[in-house]
Amino acid sequence: DAKTTQPTSMDCAEGRAANLPCNHSTISGNEYVYWYRQIHSQGPQYIIHGLKNNETNEMASLIITEDRKSSTLILPHATLRDTAVYYCIVRTFHGSSNTGKLIFGQGTTLQVKP
Amino acid sequence: DTGVSQDPRHKITKRGQNVTFRCDPISEHNRLYWYRQTLGQGPEFLTYFQNEAQLEKSRLLSDRFSAERPKGSFSTLEIQRTEQGDSAMYLCASSLELRLKNEQFFGPGTRLTVL
Repeated sequence: DAKTTQPTSMDCAEGRAANLPCNHSTISGNEYVYWYRQIHSQGPQYIIHGLKNNETNEMASLIITEDRKSSTLILPHATLRDTAVYYCIVRTFHGSSNTGKLIFGQGTTLQVKP
Repeated sequence: DTGVSQDPRHKITKRGQNVTFRCDPISEHNRLYWYRQTLGQGPEFLTYFQNEAQLEKSRLLSDRFSAERPKGSFSTLEIQRTEQGDSAMYLCASSLELRLKNEQFFGPGTRLTVL
């Protein structure tokens, strides 16, 4: 699975959009970009994933560049409850020989401030 | 509430003691994972079950660690002769093969402190 690079920390004002970047320059054609977040003292939580098209769900939007070497997770209206560590993970979609395990980096600590 | 439960939530033990943690995955999920997380780091993969079969173990899983998933339901992770370096959060996750998102659902974790 390809390696990802994320900033260590970011701040965002409450109510504003939080844009979290991720670099994955060695991503392969069959690898997806997944985002999870981990709120303090809880287990990680799935947010969104994508292959090459932009994706949106009730939690966030995922923008993947055309060359797929980087992506941005967007929380459109950040709240204090969005304060968490955000992990960008690149992985293949599981097949019969793929365990589907997640390889986490250190992630980005997002602090949403009032 | 993700539906994955872990017990206990906290465990304090003395070095050299054995400890056992339990994970109850979401009922229809056939895949179960154990991860370990130390302070300031992302979770690290330990082992993976598909139904009752343990199909992958990380090099992090020393001989003192053993995991089981009898009947493909709940799972246990046992650490024998605990060491201070075993202090960490132990996370369990489950997923359903062929689910569209292929996301893993994590439990709240068991925090182990070895004195």
